[in-house]
Amino acid sequence: EAQVTQNPRYLITVTGKKLTVTCSQNMNHEYMSWYRQDPGLGLRQIYYSMNVEVTDKGDVPEGYKVSRKEKRNFPLILESPSPNQTSLYFCASSSVGAGEQYFGPGTRLTVT
Amino acid sequence: GENVEQHPSTLSVQEGDSAVIKCTYSDSASNYFPWYKQELGKGPQLIIDIRSNVGEKKDQRIAVTLNKTAKHFSLHITETQPEDSAVYFCAAIRETSYDKVIFGPGTSLSVIP
Repeated sequence: EAQVTQNPRYLITVTGKKLTVTCSQNMNHEYMSWYRQDPGLGLRQIYYSMNVEVTDKGDVPEGYKVSRKEKRNFPLILESPSPNQTSLYFCASSSVGAGEQYFGPGTRLTVT
Repeated sequence: GENVEQHPSTLSVQEGDSAVIKCTYSDSASNYFPWYKQELGKGPQLIIDIRSNVGEKKDQRIAVTLNKTAKHFSLHITETQPEDSAVYFCAAIRETSYDKVIFGPGTSLSVIP
């Protein structure tokens, strides 16, 4: 089944404790992206990647890191999480640019 | 910076009525405009899209119109059904090497049976 998977789905952590949210797609898509969703603000793009080893900042990259060492994986790294990074995070992928994007199920992160 | 406005933020309609959601974008170089539907507890899913060389596109009960001069585009849902209840997001994208995505803030649609 074609899908985007994210792990973990739920995470509660404390300020400053490094964490990684994994994202994997099995559709051989070139484009992958991370978004955060907050009430009233919709979806905001954090980082995106056009292909392996190519990443670019989205609208809200501060406090996040990404890497794209393999085509299928695009992990999101929070080196020192803060409470303002409490949010619902989505990973997405598409075959060509930012065309039809397939979204993962989301990761709800709480930073206390 | 680039911006996408979306109105209304919430919309309630009676089953069978039509619903219209409007978006305005600021980046005149945007040329791809998708609409996503997000059901509760799930990730967004593409429902329809339009490119700037087309003024209107239909898919059964859903249609999207684009006015590039005015930089706005709209989603039209006819004969609404309870399963249309969801949050809808529009987006504006430059389909070039620069594929940053700007989403609108979303519209929560409720279809009342």
